[in-house]
Amino acid sequence: EFVLAQSPGTLSLSPGERATLSCRASQSVSSTYLAWYQQRPGQAPRLLIYGASSRATGIPDRFSGSGSGTDFTLTISRLEPEDFAVYYCQLYGSSPLLTFGPGTKVDIK
Amino acid sequence: QVQLQESGPGLVKPSETLSLTCTVSGASISSSSYYWSWIRQPAGKGLEWIGRISTSGSTNYNPSLANRVTISDDTSKNQFSLKLSSVTAADTAVYYCARWDSVYVYFDFWGQGSLVTVSS
Repeated sequence: EFVLAQSPGTLSLSPGERATLSCRASQSVSSTYLAWYQQRPGQAPRLLIYGASSRATGIPDRFSGSGSGTDFTLTISRLEPEDFAVYYCQLYGSSPLLTFGPGTKVDIK
Repeated sequence: QVQLQESGPGLVKPSETLSLTCTVSGASISSSSYYWSWIRQPAGKGLEWIGRISTSGSTNYNPSLANRVTISDDTSKNQFSLKLSSVTAADTAVYYCARWDSVYVYFDFWGQGSLVTVSS
């Protein structure tokens, strides 16, 4: 069974700062199957990154994804007020077929 | 624009069956390359994938819920549905329906979510 771990659990930063979020898989995975989502309070998740590093349509270029194997990173280069939210990584494959990480909350310092 | 909308009772009694329907507009659930999924989120917690149905009607479920879950579709109404049996308070959550793109491997469209509370 694949397990995803995200760190840190909470990241307290100020607008304009850089955010680095980590997602670690329990086994090596294909980067094709790793995606990142943003969830603002009271809203459904929104796709940010797919294939570990490809930005979804309409996503600002301050969001970037990288990584391979078991370690993946979501970077927000300069935080805007609307970026304070919870971020989930998600993996496709194995059992269960779809797995979400526990999330990282980015809140205002 | 693709839109998904969950509907169903907001309150279910323990041991009964939770039933939700997702109505899709702007796309056909019979279109190839897509799966139609259910995901849930207890208050203040993370996301849990429940299962999905393909355009051919085949299903995949999360093993942790597989013995209680049924996902079906009604192509004539462009809807798909979730049934979760023998519910307990632990099944209280916001339930989302979403479209899974099997080519690019991601959820691209989500419903707004439907809160279901399990309580007597």
